[in-house]
Amino acid sequence: SQQGEEDPQALSIQEGENATMNCSYKTSINNLQWYRQNSGRGLVHLILIRSNEREKHSGRLRVTLDTSKKSSSLLITASRAADTASYFCATVTIQGAQKLVFGQGTRLTINP
Amino acid sequence: EPEVTQTPSHQVTQMGQEVILRCVPISNHLYFYWYRQILGQKVEFLVSFYNNEISEKSEIFDDQFSVERPDGSNFTLKIRSTKLEDSAMYFCASIGGQGRGEKLFFGSGTQLSVL
Repeated sequence: SQQGEEDPQALSIQEGENATMNCSYKTSINNLQWYRQNSGRGLVHLILIRSNEREKHSGRLRVTLDTSKKSSSLLITASRAADTASYFCATVTIQGAQKLVFGQGTRLTINP
Repeated sequence: EPEVTQTPSHQVTQMGQEVILRCVPISNHLYFYWYRQILGQKVEFLVSFYNNEISEKSEIFDDQFSVERPDGSNFTLKIRSTKLEDSAMYFCASIGGQGRGEKLFFGSGTQLSVL
């Protein structure tokens, strides 16, 4: 499998519930980033977590990173209909060129 | 917040034609990228560019592709002879001078349709 694989591929929840998306990766990373993409639009950066960090918060977003398991999770609390989008994790490796490697993404649908 | 701008937003071309996708990265950024996303699939890395040369390219970025920074502001992706499978959304991105460990700023993309 490839660097940055999200799980689940699709998630549908009711407004107000929490949404959790997971990401696994294979190689050692410098940082991991989460992006959001509304249908047919560009990528919007949400949050960046560095390899020496375990948890980070930004508004209703909470990201965790477990480098021993090579995994990360993105939690969106108190979801809103406007959170409906695709969410991608992307990793930057320690070595090699500075670039992001994206996962397949999770398609999140928030039902009003 | 500063933005990466891409033009055009949509491009329709005939197979075999050349296309140039244009990007204006954020002015003080030093690393530039092209990514593409085929409909319903993940975002794929094409090429990175730093200090006026390609720093890395993927297998997708074959001889039909080229990039150029013709002046201090524009960053272009050229596809010499388009194929049907080149149809995708193409994203330009840039990153600041510190490079590794910083977030990428993405443009809103150019939807390329090859007929």
